[in-house]
Amino acid sequence: RKEVEQDPGPFNVPEGATVAFNCTYSNSASQSFFWYRQDCRKEPKLLMSVYSSGNEDGRFTAQLNRASQYISLLIRDSKLSDSATYLCVVIQAGTALIFGKGTTLSVSS
Amino acid sequence: EPEVTQTPSHQVTQMGQEVILRCVPISNHLYFYWYRQILGQKVEFLVSFYNNEISEKSEIFDDQFSVERPDGSNFTLKIRSTKLEDSAMYFCASTGTGGKNTQYFGPGTRLTVL
Repeated sequence: RKEVEQDPGPFNVPEGATVAFNCTYSNSASQSFFWYRQDCRKEPKLLMSVYSSGNEDGRFTAQLNRASQYISLLIRDSKLSDSATYLCVVIQAGTALIFGKGTTLSVSS
Repeated sequence: EPEVTQTPSHQVTQMGQEVILRCVPISNHLYFYWYRQILGQKVEFLVSFYNNEISEKSEIFDDQFSVERPDGSNFTLKIRSTKLEDSAMYFCASTGTGGKNTQYFGPGTRLTVL
């Protein structure tokens, strides 16, 4: 069973659209949760941490459901610059980041 | 803004050769990591390093791999006898206190084993 699973997409949306990504994780003892963004052939960059109460950063909203072991990311009012691969990431124990394979988003004008 | 740097950006080597990938973490950070990403695959954890010793390692990090912090600034990953399947992007990352804080990634070294 994969540790972190994501729908690979691609998600192709027009500018201004709202798009949602989902992620599930297998280890119920997972402690910390993140969304990272990766542009083509670049390093992952932290988009936002995910908290149980849900959290928002501008156009981005992240939710965590520990009971369902489910994480989501909502992007409102999509911009061309949002085109990237979005990586769901957890820390199970220790400090190692466990990555999903990523969901690819393409925003078009 | 401080950043993690890595050299070289691209390394080409022959199978069986040794390679050393270099990283300069952010200066006041305490935890250091190596990850790799095979083309088209997910990012995979290799090893973490804290207080001059390995704190965690994955199954990938076998005897052909080693890490070192030879001085106060560099953090290196050595692959002793490269295999074709070692071809990947290798990312270094660092974080400050607690280890569970944001990990900042370097731009990566693309390793090609021929």
